[in-house]
Amino acid sequence: AQSVTQLDSHVSVSEGTPVLLRCNYSSSYSPSLFWYVQHPNKGLQLLLKYTSAATLVKGINGFEAEFKKSETSFHLTKPSAHMSDAAEYFCVVGGYTGANSKLTFGKGITLSVRP
Amino acid sequence: GAVVSQHPSRVICKSGTSVKIECRSLDFQATTMFWYRQFPKQSLMLMATSNEGSKATYEQGVEKDKFLINHASLTLSTLTVTSAHPEDSSFYICSARVRQGIGEQFFGPGTRLTVL
Repeated sequence: AQSVTQLDSHVSVSEGTPVLLRCNYSSSYSPSLFWYVQHPNKGLQLLLKYTSAATLVKGINGFEAEFKKSETSFHLTKPSAHMSDAAEYFCVVGGYTGANSKLTFGKGITLSVRP
Repeated sequence: GAVVSQHPSRVICKSGTSVKIECRSLDFQATTMFWYRQFPKQSLMLMATSNEGSKATYEQGVEKDKFLINHASLTLSTLTVTSAHPEDSSFYICSARVRQGIGEQFFGPGTRLTVL
């Protein structure tokens, strides 16, 4: 069984300030973890993924996330927010369950960026 | 990179009609494709998993006779919403995976279905 918890449903930051989007996971296996971004009425774009290599993962557009097994967390950060970062962000856990591994999505976080 | 397309991007239909949505992997062969449903301002819910040449595996609570999935080739999967009703209105997103296990899924842009 696997699950994802994104406690914050909405995060608002000022342009140029740091971004922190929190994610905690639960998995019976060694998990793969992903962050996806979705802009309004668009599909999902992969920001970054963790698959048991380096615990600090760098992604696109300046985002990075750190896998902390002891805290079962995979928080997404960015040093300086840009207006174009405003979107919906999903933390996702994937696990190997037989022939088909499934992704389980968190509820998502709406990121707003103030000028 | 790996590109997944969906057609149509938007569809409006009358209640009782059937709607087919196509999902194509454009530059790779997908052994497995997934269909998700997303309600406004909510997360993606997996509806079913389809492997090329075999029957789809549906998630609990998803009616297989209402949401028909066909995965006839390594680059095409279709979702047909049969006898659509207004409550079927939603954003349907497909994804494709290159290999089994924990291979990355590549997502299509989604199809907005509105049933009048």
